[in-house]
Amino acid sequence: EDQVTQSPEALRLQEGESSSLNCSYTVSGLRGLFWYRQDPGKGPEFLFTLYSAGEEKEKERLKATLTKKESFLHITAPKPEDSATYLCAVLPPWAGKSTFGDGTTLTVKP
Amino acid sequence: EPEVTQTPSHQVTQMGQEVILRCVPISNHLYFYWYRQILGQKVEFLVSFYNNEISEKSEIFDDQFSVERPDGSNFTLKIRSTKLEDSAMYFCASLAGTLNQPQHFGDGTRLSIL
Repeated sequence: EDQVTQSPEALRLQEGESSSLNCSYTVSGLRGLFWYRQDPGKGPEFLFTLYSAGEEKEKERLKATLTKKESFLHITAPKPEDSATYLCAVLPPWAGKSTFGDGTTLTVKP
Repeated sequence: EPEVTQTPSHQVTQMGQEVILRCVPISNHLYFYWYRQILGQKVEFLVSFYNNEISEKSEIFDDQFSVERPDGSNFTLKIRSTKLEDSAMYFCASLAGTLNQPQHFGDGTRLSIL
């Protein structure tokens, strides 16, 4: 069974303090690994898709990387508006269910 | 940008009553999903739907649940006899079906069972 584990569960940063979130996964086949951002009371908002080990994607202060067993979401010089829960999910090749991790709740203090 | 829309945003229902949650997926998408998220817990898969039939379902999706795409645009989730433990956020998602596209989620329906 596919498993996704995210760490840490919660992360508090000062504005400008860079850090990384981890997503480790065990899957029988990988169509894609997705990062989402979820704000309170909202649905997951798509950030990145990664397909193969070594791949990297960037968007503003966020950079996602992928290895064969884990993915990292690097946050450079975060701002308070980056505060949210960041979700990692894996999708198998047959477009079936996504398996989500528990998420990392990021709080960025000004 | 096209988006997935869900109605209602909040549904309050008495235990044992039937409830229908509605979703309008992105128009050219081919795969449709329902997920739920109990407060403080992870997003859990319920069911996937493709070509007018269920393609996969989880253990949560028992006989009390059903899905329909009645008119080519709406995608509904029905719970026949609600239980207290059905209280959760229910998210609809759709996927274009091409390899470089992610699932897109609606903002959910908060279901409260009294």
